[in-house]
Amino acid sequence: DVKVTQSSRYLVKRTGEKVFLECVQDMDHENMFWYRQDPGLGLRLIYFSYDVKMKEKGDIPEGYSVSREKKERFSLILESASTNQTSMYLCASSLQGPRNQPQHFGDGTRLSIL
Amino acid sequence: AQSVTQLGSHVSVSEGALVLLRCNYSSSVPPYLFWYVQYPNQGLQLLLKYTSAATLVKGINGFEAEFKKSETSFHLTKPSAHMSDAAEYFCAVSSNRDDKIIFGKGTRLHILP
Repeated sequence: DVKVTQSSRYLVKRTGEKVFLECVQDMDHENMFWYRQDPGLGLRLIYFSYDVKMKEKGDIPEGYSVSREKKERFSLILESASTNQTSMYLCASSLQGPRNQPQHFGDGTRLSIL
Repeated sequence: AQSVTQLGSHVSVSEGALVLLRCNYSSSVPPYLFWYVQYPNQGLQLLLKYTSAATLVKGINGFEAEFKKSETSFHLTKPSAHMSDAAEYFCAVSSNRDDKIIFGKGTRLHILP
């Protein structure tokens, strides 16, 4: 069965800290995605990656960066955390190719920046 | 550009009653459509997907959705609601330019005893 694992379910950090959120998938998927989810705003795409060492900005990349050194792992980095980055972060992966490929999600990381 | 609109950010139904969650899409090409469910403190789980093979799509947990091109709709239904159906539901459409999926803002389903 498909498995996307996010390293932390809950995380509390302080403003100004560098924060790493890790995501690993075991399905050999080419595509990986990072979203943030906020009440009333739905899912917003931060960054996505179609291949190792490849990244593209999503709709809200400001304040974030990503790293994809291996196919199975996609990291989201908050360079200097701010309180407005308190949110639920969701990682997803999918196969490349036909447009009927669904995304598979991890359980999310609820991040609080104090 | 592709988009989806979910009507109603909150829907309440009584246990045993019909569940109807509305989704309308906009697409410049034949769409691929999805419904996802999110239970509290969990990620999104695929309920069902429409890929043009049949207009009525059956998913998990007794849910189904009907693709209506003339109405640009893909509404989600379940004949009889159960307390365990309380969750947030997201309608989504595949991008026509890349491998992204565009999500609606979600509808939170409340089940009344």
